[in-house]
Amino acid sequence: NAGVTQTPKFRVLKTGQSMTLLCAQDMNHEYMYWYRQDPGMGLRLIHYSVGEGTTAKGEVPDGYNVSRLKKQNFLLGLESAAPSQTSVYFCASSPFRGKTEAFFGQGTRLTVV
Amino acid sequence: SQQGEEDPQALSIQEGENATMNCSYKTSINNLQWYRQNSGRGLVHLILIRSNEREKHSGRLRVTLDTSKKSSSLLITASRAADTASYFCATVNSGGGADGLTFGKGTHLIIQP
Repeated sequence: NAGVTQTPKFRVLKTGQSMTLLCAQDMNHEYMYWYRQDPGMGLRLIHYSVGEGTTAKGEVPDGYNVSRLKKQNFLLGLESAAPSQTSVYFCASSPFRGKTEAFFGQGTRLTVV
Repeated sequence: SQQGEEDPQALSIQEGENATMNCSYKTSINNLQWYRQNSGRGLVHLILIRSNEREKHSGRLRVTLDTSKKSSSLLITASRAADTASYFCATVNSGGGADGLTFGKGTHLIIQP
C-alpha cells in the first residue's frame, strides 16, 4: 500500500526559481493538506483542499499556490522561491473532516539558497 | 498560530521507565490526536481521543483529556529504544476540522538503552 507519496524527497533551489511539489494519495480521501515543518515550530498548515477542484488557505499561505485538479493529487507550487521557504514540507490526507486520523507522506526537504 | 503546546520540549529516560508528555491547547476542540515522528520521517498517527472522552488506551499508550483545563497527556509505559522519536499533539477544532489539524511544537523523547 503506497498511502501518501511525495515527490521529490529532496531539492535545492536558487532564490527566485520556481518548483512544484507533488502529493499523491491512493486511499480515495477527500481532504488533503500541505504543511511545513521548521525547527522549533512544529507543523504549520499552508493550504488545504476539501475535495477535487477546491483549495483554501491555511495559516501560512503567502508565497505558495496549490491545485487539486484530480482527487488523488495535490500540488504545491513555489513561484519565486525565497530562503525563508527553506523547510521540510509534508502532505497529508484524511477521509473525513477531522474525525479520523490523517495520513502523512515522508516529506520533501527543500533548501533555498 | 500554534494550538497545542507540548511539555516538556525534551525528555530523556531509561529503557523500561514510563514517559509522560503533556499538551495544552487554546480553543474548543472536536478531538485531540497524538502523532509520532521518527527522525527524518513523516508523522504516524498514534491515538485519537474525542472531546467527550476522558481516557483512552492503545497497547502501551494511555491518553487522557481534560477539556475544562484544555490539556491532554500521553503516557508510554515500559518504554523501549524504538520509542525514541518526537511526539506531537494535534487538535481538530469544534467547527469540524476541514481546515486540518493544528499541531504543537512537539516533545523529543530519547530512550536510553
